[in-house]
Amino acid sequence: AQRVTQPEKLLSVFKGAPVELKCNYSYSGSPELFWYVQYSRQRLQLLLRHISRESIKGFTADLNKGETSFHLKKPFAQEEDSAMYYCALNTPAAGNKLTFGGGTRVLVKP
Amino acid sequence: ETGVTQSPTHLIKTRGQQVTLRCSSQSGHNTVSWYQQALGQGPQFIFQYYREEENGRGNFPPRFSGLQFPNYSSELNVNALELDDSALYLCASSLEPGTGINGYTFGSGTRLTVV
Repeated sequence: AQRVTQPEKLLSVFKGAPVELKCNYSYSGSPELFWYVQYSRQRLQLLLRHISRESIKGFTADLNKGETSFHLKKPFAQEEDSAMYYCALNTPAAGNKLTFGGGTRVLVKP
Repeated sequence: ETGVTQSPTHLIKTRGQQVTLRCSSQSGHNTVSWYQQALGQGPQFIFQYYREEENGRGNFPPRFSGLQFPNYSSELNVNALELDDSALYLCASSLEPGTGINGYTFGSGTRLTVV
C-alpha cells in the first residue's frame, strides 16, 4: 500500500535561513508527487508538482526515486512562508486517490 | 463562483444521527474527491466521483456514501455517526480523475463535530 511520511511535525527557522521539509514515500508504481500548502485561515492549495520541475515562491522539490524522497527546499525562508505543508502522492492506478503525509508546520521567525 | 464551495461550514450532530455534506466543484471540473482530516493529521481519501459514478474508494466503511449530480456537484452522506467521525471534511475537484498537471482544487471544508 502507498504511504507518505513527513518526519517533522514542526520546523522553526529564522527569516533568511534555509528550510528543508522532508517527505518520503512508498509506492511500487510510478509516483506522481505534489506539495500542498495551507496558510492560516486559507484552504489547501497546490504549491508544486514534480512533473513540472518548477520553482514556486522560491521553493523547489526534486524527486529521488532511489531514496523514495521528495523533499521541499527553500534557500532563504520568509515570514510569509509560515504555513502547514503537506506532501502528497497520487496513484491513478490504485484508486485515483491522493495519499497525504501528516504535514509539517513551518514557523519562520523574524 | 469558480472555486470549490462546501456547505455547511460547521455542523454539530449527535452520535447515531445521519449527516449530508455538500460540494460544488470548480467550473469545468468533472471529478470530485472527498477527504477526511482529523485534527493534527493529513487528509485521508474517502472516495472519488467521476461523471456520477464512484471511481475509487479509501478505507472507509459503507456508512460513508456519496453522490455526484449531472452538474458535477456532490454530496457526502454519513450514517450512524460515531464520535470518531468528528473531523474536517474536504472536497476537491479536478479536470479528470487523475490530478493531471493542475492538481486538485480544494474547498474550505465542513467542520463536523459529533457529540
